[in-house]
Amino acid sequence: DVKVTQSSRYLVKRTGEKVFLECVQDMDHENMFWYRQDPGLGLRLIYFSYDVKMKEKGDIPEGYSVSREKKERFSLILESASTNQTSMYLCASSFWGPDTQYFGPGTRLTVL
Amino acid sequence: KNEVEQSPQNLTAQEGEFITINCSYSVGISALHWLQQHPGGGIVSLFMLSSGKKKHGRLIATINIQEKHSSLHITASHPRDSAVYICGIGGSQGNLIFGKGTKLSVKP
Repeated sequence: DVKVTQSSRYLVKRTGEKVFLECVQDMDHENMFWYRQDPGLGLRLIYFSYDVKMKEKGDIPEGYSVSREKKERFSLILESASTNQTSMYLCASSFWGPDTQYFGPGTRLTVL
Repeated sequence: KNEVEQSPQNLTAQEGEFITINCSYSVGISALHWLQQHPGGGIVSLFMLSSGKKKHGRLIATINIQEKHSSLHITASHPRDSAVYICGIGGSQGNLIFGKGTKLSVKP
């Protein structure tokens, strides 16, 4: 079975802190994705990566950056957390582009 | 205008009923995905389809590329089907745009 893990289920940070969210998949998938999910807005794509060291902006990249140094790991970075980044963050991976995506359990981030 | 529209937003059904959730989209796609999200947040991919129809157990997904429309059907619904069902449309790199979801509640 494909397993996508995220470093934390719950995280509380202060405004201005640098935040790292880590995602690891164990199925040698090429593509990895970071989404955020907010009530009334649904799932929105922040960034995705289709290869090591490659990244593409999604629909809402502002305030975020990503890093993919190894194929299995995709990190989402909030350089200076703000209260409007309080959200559920979900990572996903797929073998190739339009293939089935496998989701991690999510990290509920609260920025105070 | 949203690129992906789901209907209905909320749906309450009695156990055993046949359920249909609709998804309409406005752009060309490589694939359409149906996801299920249970309370607690975990998301499971149900279907990925680019044409025709797929079936898995009591779940059936259909897509009409010309009409830019997909439906998710649940036969003989059960309370454990209660979840949010999310439609997503995909580009060639897998970057998905999602609808806002349909919250389904199946009463015993």
